[in-house]
Amino acid sequence: GEDVEQSLFLSVREGDSSVINCTYTDSSSTYLYWYKQEPGAGLQLLTYIFSNMDMKQDQRLTVLLNKKDKHLSLRIADTQTGDSAIYFCAEGRKGGYGGATNKLIFGTGTLLAVQP
Amino acid sequence: SQTIHQWPATLVQPVGSPLSLECTVEGTSNPNLYWYRQAAGRGLQLLFYSVGIGQISSEVPQNLSASRPQDRQFILSSKKLLLSDSGFYLCAWSAAGTGINQPQHFGDGTRLSIL
Repeated sequence: GEDVEQSLFLSVREGDSSVINCTYTDSSSTYLYWYKQEPGAGLQLLTYIFSNMDMKQDQRLTVLLNKKDKHLSLRIADTQTGDSAIYFCAEGRKGGYGGATNKLIFGTGTLLAVQP
Repeated sequence: SQTIHQWPATLVQPVGSPLSLECTVEGTSNPNLYWYRQAAGRGLQLLFYSVGIGQISSEVPQNLSASRPQDRQFILSSKKLLLSDSGFYLCAWSAAGTGINQPQHFGDGTRLSIL
C-alpha cells in the first residue's frame, strides 16, 4: 500500500532528546523528508535525506535511514518548548503524477509535546 | 529566494456560496503547484496538482475545482460550498522534473469554515 506510518504522539522534557520514528513502504523512494507544522501554520521543510545515505546531521537535527527495514527517524537534540509541533515524514517516489514529477506520500504526523 | 503566498488566511462562508482561494509563487519559473486539504488533527489529502499553465489533475473527486491561469498562480474554487468542504487548505510548490530533489514548499494555509 501507500501508507507512511508514524506514531501519533511523543512527550519529552525540555533539554532531553526527542526521537520521532517513521516507516515507509516503497524501497525505490528517492528522497525522504521531515516537515514541521506549528499550530495554525503551513508545513515547514526541516531536512531531507537521499535514499543512498544512512545519516544526515543538521545542527540539532539528525536523520537516520535504515533502508533494509524502511525505517526513518528524526532526532532532535536538546529539545526546546519551541520544538512543540506536529512532525510529518514524507517519501518521494520518482515519476509520480503521470511521470512529470516526484510524488510525496505523507505520514499522519507525530505530535511532539515538550514539557518545561 | 522563492516565496509562496496564500490568501485569505481565514474565511467563513455560508453553505451554497462560491469559493475562490488564491496561491501565488515568486522567485521561480514553471513550478509544480499543489492544493492539499488537511483534515482535523492531521492528514494531508492531495486535491489537485499542476505541472503547467492550464494543466490540472485531480486526485480525488469532489466539489472543488482548480485553475492555473498564469505560470505562478493557482486557484482553488467551488460554485457551491458544502459543509464537508470545511478544513485547512494548503498550497505548495516544487521544482519541475523527476531527477532532482523535489521537496514541496508550503504556504501558510487558509482556514475555511462553512456555516
